[in-house]
Amino acid sequence: DAGITQSPRYKITETGRQVTLMCHQTWSHSYMFWYRQDLGHGLRLIYYSAAADITDKGEVPDGYVVSRSKTENFPLTLESATRSQTSVYFCASSESVGVGTEAFFGQGTRLTVV
Amino acid sequence: AQKITQTQPGMFVQEKEAVTLDCTYDTSDPSYGLFWYKQPSSGEMIFLIYQGSYDQQNATEGRYSLNFQKARKSANLVISASQLGDSAMYFCAMRVVGVLTGGGNKLTFGTGTQLKVEL
Repeated sequence: DAGITQSPRYKITETGRQVTLMCHQTWSHSYMFWYRQDLGHGLRLIYYSAAADITDKGEVPDGYVVSRSKTENFPLTLESATRSQTSVYFCASSESVGVGTEAFFGQGTRLTVV
Repeated sequence: AQKITQTQPGMFVQEKEAVTLDCTYDTSDPSYGLFWYKQPSSGEMIFLIYQGSYDQQNATEGRYSLNFQKARKSANLVISASQLGDSAMYFCAMRVVGVLTGGGNKLTFGTGTQLKVEL
């Protein structure tokens, strides 16, 4: 299917475990983003990537790792999950540079850390 | 650094009335884009409208219009003739290429406004 897809949609994990959230887009967009959504905070940028093998930190990167070996994939790994990382995670993508470039979002992954 | 501020956590509006959702922004970069997204209870993010910093006219898309006041650094969303289906969370966002400020083409969001349309 064309578009941007996230998996899994729902995940429950235990404190201290490593968990990876997947993001796949079919448009060959250069830019990809990971956000977390928490009540009262809106969407906060965790990491973003301008192209394959180019990533940079966003506003709240601590505790997260990303990689981008292929243009279409941008996985987000929680190295040792904590309860404070319970959140809804959104992946997004957009074409290359331009302030008017709309970002397209995945359906979100609801992660619960117990 | 870029910042988006939405000061209305929640808003109520009567069906068929117009409603304005506030958004102010802060950036030192002269080139930026402003976006509004809608998030219904189902959770997906839906793009509504875009305004560029150099655009002379206010953007409009159907019942949505963006009241862009550059000097005040505000980009309020106006929804005319509200419908029950407009009940959702609305996010204002800004994208800065950041040639001068190192913005890196990031898309920065506000905290959102929860809109409830009532009969």
